[in-house]
Amino acid sequence: SQTIHQWPATLVQPVGSPLSLECTVEGTSNPNLYWYRQAAGRGLQLLFYSVGIGQISSEVPQNLSASRPQDRQFILSSKKLLLSDSGFYLCAGDRSGNTEAFFGQGTRLTVV
Amino acid sequence: KQEVTQIPAALSVPEGENLVLNCSFTDSAIYNLQWFRQDPGKGLTSLLLIQSSQREQTSGRLNASLDKSSGRSTLYIAASQPGDSATYLCAVPGGGTSYGKLTFGQGTILTVHP
Repeated sequence: SQTIHQWPATLVQPVGSPLSLECTVEGTSNPNLYWYRQAAGRGLQLLFYSVGIGQISSEVPQNLSASRPQDRQFILSSKKLLLSDSGFYLCAGDRSGNTEAFFGQGTRLTVV
Repeated sequence: KQEVTQIPAALSVPEGENLVLNCSFTDSAIYNLQWFRQDPGKGLTSLLLIQSSQREQTSGRLNASLDKSSGRSTLYIAASQPGDSATYLCAVPGGGTSYGKLTFGQGTILTVHP
């Protein structure tokens, strides 16, 4: 079965510092991949999605960017973090030919 | 734009009760509907996926129904247990083949006390 690995599980970063969150997928090839953010007291918001290597679509304007350097790797980045970037970040995927979405365990980011 | 609403926002029940969580969506042209469970500080675990052509899906003590025409889904949990305590989320995809491009409800926080 497909599995998504995310790291780190928790991260505390100062305002203005860079960010790199990594997500890797096992058990499937050529997945669509997604980054979601869950801010405190708010629902899940789709940030980026990718249908293949080098292909990134942004859903909302923000301080973050995403990249997909390999088929099973999806990276969320920022050059300078803002306080408002704090939240719970989830990587998700769906398998070609299968309509079910699957999620990683998330990264709790606190910007101080 | 698709909107998903879940009622109630929170639910506290004694162990053993049967309970129903509700999910409604504004655009009935959905491909499927997925129910997830989220434990505090954790990721999402998929519980049930109902295709648009299906009326219901069952997994153990969980049963999810879908009425696409009325824009509603319910998650029925039989004989609730303290281990069922979590946030339950429903979500629908936005169309096309990007099935993980989901619109989520705000969730129902379930507490089952012994």
